[in-house]
Amino acid sequence: GIQVEQSPPDLILQEGANSTLRCNFSDSVNNLQWFHQNPWGQLINLFYIPSGTKQNGRLSATTVATERYSLLYISSSQTTDSGVYFCAVSQGGSEKLVFGKGTKLTVNP
Amino acid sequence: KAGVTQTPRYLIKTRGQQVTLSCSPISGHRSVSWYQQTPGQGLQFLFEYFSETQRNKGNFPGRFSGRQFSNSRSEMNVSTLELGDSALYLCASHPPSGTQYFGPGTRLLVL
Repeated sequence: GIQVEQSPPDLILQEGANSTLRCNFSDSVNNLQWFHQNPWGQLINLFYIPSGTKQNGRLSATTVATERYSLLYISSSQTTDSGVYFCAVSQGGSEKLVFGKGTKLTVNP
Repeated sequence: KAGVTQTPRYLIKTRGQQVTLSCSPISGHRSVSWYQQTPGQGLQFLFEYFSETQRNKGNFPGRFSGRQFSNSRSEMNVSTLELGDSALYLCASHPPSGTQYFGPGTRLLVL
């Protein structure tokens, strides 16, 4: 099946810094989503981005489907950005999401 | 619109018991998927339902089952609980080929 790799696994920043999280996938996809898992475990949807570029406030994402990767940019990070960020993909006609192992982001004040 | 709701939020069971978890999707969504999250295995797909039919199933033993009702609400059942079934169980609601929205999850602890 499709493989999803996220990097880096851990990232520690000072408040106000920018960061880039990467997601590589091993095959073509029809769905790619970025999620932020809050401390209570809920997955918060950030972007639905199988291709192209989207922006939402301080967050933006780019997926280059032909090269099988996606990037999540966080600018001017805040302590509330801390948590685990997941990339998930699905392929073919399936709605099944395959998740990466996540990037754990810690933003220190 | 109200989001995805899951009940109960927390559950403690003992080995050998069975458990039923419930998920109510976003109004208008007919697809519901279930995922298990553990520290060791990460997030893994359990099954997907659309209009009361299971469309896809992950690689889990037959002790894990589910169903969907005509109002799109879904339940999953785990029989003969094992310690390794302790996990966060997440339900997602989605339109066809669209964004998947997750509920708050049910934390199951098996003692």
